[in-house]
Order: sequence, then structure tokens, then C-alpha cells
Amino acid sequence: DIVMTQSPDSLAVSLGERATINCKSSQSVLHTYTNKNFLVWYQQKPGQPPRMLIYWASTRESGVPDRFSGSGSGTDFTLTISSLQAEDVAVYYCQQYYTSPITFGQGTRLEIK
Amino acid sequence: QVHLVESGGGVVQPGGSLRLSCEASGFRFSGFGMHWVRQAPGKGLEWVAFVSHDGTNEDYADSVKGRFAISRDNSENTVYLQMNSLGTDDSALYFCAKGEVVLSSPFDVWGQGTTVTVSS
Repeated sequence: DIVMTQSPDSLAVSLGERATINCKSSQSVLHTYTNKNFLVWYQQKPGQPPRMLIYWASTRESGVPDRFSGSGSGTDFTLTISSLQAEDVAVYYCQQYYTSPITFGQGTRLEIK
Repeated sequence: QVHLVESGGGVVQPGGSLRLSCEASGFRFSGFGMHWVRQAPGKGLEWVAFVSHDGTNEDYADSVKGRFAISRDNSENTVYLQMNSLGTDDSALYFCAKGEVVLSSPFDVWGQGTTVTVSS
């Protein structure tokens, strides 16, 4: 199984500042034929289901604010929120969909400092 | 508007069975694979099962293989999860999620979830 490890487990950032969440996979999720990274980021607010933010590691889902961006390739990925807003308080998960079983990171809790 | 609505959760004794349903609307259901994902109280997300768009392919997490069965009825726009031999570790909020034709795709729409509690 591909193990997804996020860091840090929790993060406190001041409003308007940058937040960075990392995700590392135990093996590459880059499909060499398509040159696509099979990596997605979700946001989950309390009492709500997850919401897809970024897929193919760096493609922003429609309707997601452009302060959210994804980067990385192979085994190392980053979700960046360029200017933290109050509504961004949530738990963030990375997930690989390269192979079965589909696996998630343990989550990173983002709070306001 | 794309919607997924889960139902069928409840309280069941260890060793019991339960069948979850997820009704879809707002998209061509028969064209997309569907997943079940669960979240134990206060914990992270765990993928449970996948069924292909036409129901011919299924895949399961090792933790549920042999006990759970995913299926779908495209005429009813519904995906099911039959859960047997339930244990306390199966207690969770169960989400259905929309994928693509193949398993290797992100989950772009999620339902609100239905809660399963396994307790004596």
C-alpha cells in the first residue's frame, strides 16, 4: 500500500499569512505515460464532508479561490494557502489515487493564530 | 446541481449486518464510478470500496474485503454498500463519493454521510 504522510499534524497561521502543508507518498504517484501526478487535496470543515480543492496535484477545482495552490511531483507535494482567511480553518487531507488501495494522509488541522 | 444522499445507517450489534444506500442526482449516474469512504469519530478518512460505472468491477480495502459488498442500480441512480459481520471498528460516518469511470480518479462530489454505530 502507498502510505501518505502529511506534515505538520497541526498548524496555526495568522490571518493574511501563508500556510503550507506537506504530503509525502511512500512511492511515486507520477504516471510516467501521462506525466500526471495522481494526487488530490481535500478540505474538510467541521460537520461537513470533504471538498475537493486540487487534483492532479496542481489543478484547482472550479470555484476554489485562487489563494489555494498545489505543487510537487513524484513523492513530495505541497498545498499552499497564500493569504489565510478565517473560512480556511479546516482539516486538510491529501490522497493518492494512483493505485488500489486508495489512501489518504492522516490530515493536517489548520487554525488561526 | 449534483447531489449524493446517503441513508441506511443506524445502530447494529457486533456480528450484524446493515445496507447503506446512496442516491445520486444532477449527473449521468451510469457514466461514473462510485466510492464509499468512512471516517471514524474524530479520525481521518479511509477508503472502503469502489464500483465501476457499469457495476462490472469492484475493489475493496483489505479491512472490509470478504465482509462488505458494493453494488449499484443505474436505473435507480443508487449505489449500495452491504455490510456483514460488523465489528466495533466499523463504527463510522460513511460517505459515498463520485469518481470517474476508472478507480484511479479523484472524488469530486461527496454526500453528507450516514452514521453506522456497532455496539452491543
